Amino acid sequence: QSALTQPRSVSGSPGQSVTISCTGTSSDVGGYNYVSWYQQHPGKAPKLIMYDVSERPSGVPDRFSGSKSGNTASLTISGLQAEDEADYYCCSYAGSSTHVLFGGGTKLTVL
Amino acid sequence: QVQLQESGPGLVKPPETLSLTCAVSGYSISSGYYWGWIRQPPGKGLEWIGTIYHSGSTYYNPSLKSRVTISVDTSKNQFSLKLSSLTAADTAVYYCARHSGSYCFDYWGQGTLVTVSS
Repeated sequence: QSALTQPRSVSGSPGQSVTISCTGTSSDVGGYNYVSWYQQHPGKAPKLIMYDVSERPSGVPDRFSGSKSGNTASLTISGLQAEDEADYYCCSYAGSSTHVLFGGGTKLTVL
Repeated sequence: QVQLQESGPGLVKPPETLSLTCAVSGYSISSGYYWGWIRQPPGKGLEWIGTIYHSGSTYYNPSLKSRVTISVDTSKNQFSLKLSSLTAADTAVYYCARHSGSYCFDYWGQGTLVTVSS
């Protein structure tokens, strides 16, 4: 199966909101509420920032929120801060054959 | 606090087999959870390689399944990855991570760069 589809890049100014989309199919994103999001700064390991579509792990600011509609999941970051500049990856459970799919990643630039 | 640490060679010749180990601290593998490997070629995105349960049940990426073996050693609290028939396309940073019941990866190792080159 192909990777989930994310925009290559998004940008926003400090204080603004940005939304990153993650499009799959009914066999992955649309079929299960097991979408997660990861933030990765250069040279660092990915960090879990959202799971089960809209659940935030402890310590993740509530500026980060997640949602899903049909086969597309979204991560919204409100009140953009300079430290939010990073790569963001979505991930979905994809059934008992494929198991796990990642998105191609989105580079967020804070202008 | 759960911590994971990858170890293994940084350079491997094609078509040899890559062997990596992930040592887990702060949590006993035998207590549960799944444990996975993910890789990231330089400048590219993340790719799930496979996952193992503490009992030894394994789940592999279909595109890599023929070349991958993941095993667990609960006595040493670690799990391992073997990837055979290496080519330059396998050059990547390899991460180990805890694979939670929500099918997400909640704790990650720092990653180890593996270069496949003769």
